Amino acid sequence: NAGVTQTPKFQVLKTGQSMTLQCAQDMNHEYMSWYRQDPGMGLRLIHYSVGAGITDQGEVPNGYNVSRSTTEDFPLRLLSAAPSQTSVYFCASSLSPGGEETQYFGPGTRLLVL
Amino acid sequence: KQEVTQIPAALSVPEGENLVLNCSFTDSAIYNLQWFRQDPGKGLTSLLLIQSSQREQTSGRLNASLDKSSGRSTLYIAASQPGDSATYLCAVKGTYKYIFGTGTRLKVLA
Repeated sequence: NAGVTQTPKFQVLKTGQSMTLQCAQDMNHEYMSWYRQDPGMGLRLIHYSVGAGITDQGEVPNGYNVSRSTTEDFPLRLLSAAPSQTSVYFCASSLSPGGEETQYFGPGTRLLVL
Repeated sequence: KQEVTQIPAALSVPEGENLVLNCSFTDSAIYNLQWFRQDPGKGLTSLLLIQSSQREQTSGRLNASLDKSSGRSTLYIAASQPGDSATYLCAVKGTYKYIFGTGTRLKVLA
């Protein structure tokens, strides 16, 4: 198993540009989520999904969209990038939303918005 | 609203010491608590997961405890080694949502 994969590893955007951060898992996990990590603030939940076709907002959803058309993939879209979205983004998955399983994290995407 | 706090923010100890990292949370209605390790520039690696009905979990030199009533968890690291140097994060799980602490940055000196 490749586990949780994220692409790209690093991206530079200009203010106003859009882009999609890719996340995929090959463990048949129902639950997937996106976090951003900023210095001194820990990880904050952006959006999550409890299964294909079902998504919901986390703590900091503004400026981000998600969709979950398949179990494997959970892309995160930035519609109009802002400097405040400069961060490291992590995708995570777990077997079920129920709470008994470990979360597995991807290696992260470093995003710089100029 | 759930808030998770980790104290201390940074810790430096000589090799071989036993140490305790602390995690506190404000809402005891959690499903589980998970401790992670993060190396610089890397993702998170799960260390221990404690279900809400459990009091502790052990893995090798690591022992994590959970006291839901007081909103506290501790991660005990025995006989610390330089390879233990990393940031340690705790996360509590409510209904579908994980809330993370800001982490404790540990440095073990050889």
